[in-house]
Amino acid sequence: ETGVTQTPRHLVMGMTNKKSLKCEQHLGHNAMYWYKQSAKKPLELMFVYNFKEQTENNSVPSRFSPECPNSSHLFLHLHTLQPEDSALYLCASSPGASGNTIYFGEGSWLTVV
Amino acid sequence: GIQVEQSPPDLILQEGANSTLRCNFSDSVNNLQWFHQNPWGQLINLFYIPSGTKQNGRLSATTVATERYSLLYISSSQTTDSGVYFCAVELDFNKFYFGSGTKLNVKP
Repeated sequence: ETGVTQTPRHLVMGMTNKKSLKCEQHLGHNAMYWYKQSAKKPLELMFVYNFKEQTENNSVPSRFSPECPNSSHLFLHLHTLQPEDSALYLCASSPGASGNTIYFGEGSWLTVV
Repeated sequence: GIQVEQSPPDLILQEGANSTLRCNFSDSVNNLQWFHQNPWGQLINLFYIPSGTKQNGRLSATTVATERYSLLYISSSQTTDSGVYFCAVELDFNKFYFGSGTKLNVKP
């Protein structure tokens, strides 16, 4: 248990579906992140939020839409995805201060059919 | 952008053997962390080590920031050490970049 919880753990969706991934952190951190991990690729930084404000969008397609209602919750809204978007999506948080240490949730395995 | 390179990409060990994993990075960084990813995808924090040396049981890590590399040592390896080991660097505030990982397989 790392203090970062992701749901669902597994998701299968069609290309025309709309679904959301949820992340909640219980660490009192101020920064939250979405990463994508595809087979045979390094973890790719997608979005960063600091104090609920988006500070990084790493050229992510608009079919991925993040939402951060407060410092403890982060969502990734998914719509009209492609099969190549199938991957492990990892949420993380960090204090956002000196000695910044990033902690990850268990991930959401997404399959687009 | 910053390059984070890990070596070797794959490593097979017999149980009880020692190993050294390396992480090179191309720019000055604010901090560096080592992670172990288990077969279920969970990334476990091993070390926060922007510089110097730390030890935790059979694992230890050393970062030489001036020379832009870090080493992870695994001694007396066990089958439970299998998985993928990643290093991650914080280049700018709240921007963490990962290497491609070292996939370790420890055989009984």
